[in-house]
Amino acid sequence: DAGVIQSPRHEVTEMGQEVTLRCKPISGHNSLFWYRQTMMRGLELLIYFNNNVPIDDSGMPEDRFSAKMPNASFSTLKIQPSEPRDSAVYFCASSLRGDEAFFGQGTRLTVV
Amino acid sequence: GESVGLHLPTLSVQEGDNSIINCAYSNSASDYFIWYKQESGKGPQFIIDIRSNMDKRQGQRVTVLLNKTVKHLSLQIAATQPGDSAVYFCAARRALTFGSGTRLQVQP
Repeated sequence: DAGVIQSPRHEVTEMGQEVTLRCKPISGHNSLFWYRQTMMRGLELLIYFNNNVPIDDSGMPEDRFSAKMPNASFSTLKIQPSEPRDSAVYFCASSLRGDEAFFGQGTRLTVV
Repeated sequence: GESVGLHLPTLSVQEGDNSIINCAYSNSASDYFIWYKQESGKGPQFIIDIRSNMDKRQGQRVTVLLNKTVKHLSLQIAATQPGDSAVYFCAARRALTFGSGTRLQVQP
């Protein structure tokens, strides 16, 4: 298995633009997590899904952020409109039954 | 919600020494804990885990200790090597809430 795959690896966008981050979890895993990492706030859980259903989205900063998981092999995190303070590394992780989570390489987002 | 935090932001050790990284958690209902290692430019990588029905678990050169009474866990790395230099996070279930991390610097 190739592990958790995220795309793009790097994204630079202008303030106000829509940004979509993508994640392909490990096949067979039933939990998926989206995290944001910054120097100031560390690794923050944004949302997690279990069996494609959002279980806890209390970490989503505001309505500009939305996440979907249309099927077991794909999830998106969308920011619309993006702001400079959204600049961070966004990680997707997947796990089986909520145990050990395997992380993707992350998407480094820069909003200018 | 749950908070998971680390006691020391940076730990500097000499190569060959043992390292101890500490972590506190707030939710006494947490039943599962993981230590992750994150190298620069990469995602966190699993090191070792422990369930709440245990107080110690050993891996290769690493040992995790869990003290549920004071809601504290630690990661011990034996014979620390330069390749161990990274940021270490503890995480607690549910949904793997992460602490703020400790940077381990190994001096050759």
